Amino acid sequence: DAKTTQPPSMDCAEGRAANLPCNHSTISGNEYVYWYRQIHSQGPQYIIHGLKNNETNEMASLIITEDRKSSTLILPHATLRDTAVYYCIVRVANYGQNFVFGPGTRLSVLP
Amino acid sequence: GAGVSQSPSNKVTEKGKDVELRCDPISGHTALYWYRQRLGQGLEFLIYFQGNSAPDKSGLPSDRFSAERTGESVSTLTIQRTQQEDSAVYLCASSLRREAHEQYFGPGTRLTVT
Repeated sequence: DAKTTQPPSMDCAEGRAANLPCNHSTISGNEYVYWYRQIHSQGPQYIIHGLKNNETNEMASLIITEDRKSSTLILPHATLRDTAVYYCIVRVANYGQNFVFGPGTRLSVLP
Repeated sequence: GAGVSQSPSNKVTEKGKDVELRCDPISGHTALYWYRQRLGQGLEFLIYFQGNSAPDKSGLPSDRFSAERTGESVSTLTIQRTQQEDSAVYLCASSLRREAHEQYFGPGTRLTVT
């Protein structure tokens, strides 16, 4: 069963910030939020993960609400190469569970 | 270093034939996963290997599907008596250990059953 809800598609202008929302209202206390993306014809690529606190790395920022029921992935300056399907996943890390990939959000970065 | 590799990259087979897909994980990664992705859809978990433990086969869709892994190295996914609905991209991923947050995916094998 899908544990996350994402919009099916979004557009973003090149150079602008892309904000991708995800709802995970049934998240458990020991479940992490992960974001992966899949560029056409490639395997998925890890972007970022978090538990409670906001996280930032060289690719993106992850903002998790205080109640942890939703999160937002932020690509600060989207480029054409960021056009991809973005997957939001919740998972317990310590049991090595497989990732459950839903349909994700298809982000189109427009010139 | 080298990433996850898969072979072949493309495979066309006739209905009823058996196929074998190969995955070479990143060296030292103890966890290995197989997923299936049908056209335009998300990833579907198939099977998970962790070291020498019994694999988690809960995602295999039928007994025509099987997979093996020798220790912490190569894995093969075998589909017997292929059907047209088996047409998909088969993706392999590995991670350093079962608790690891990041799975590294290979480029996939595109299987077409005619």
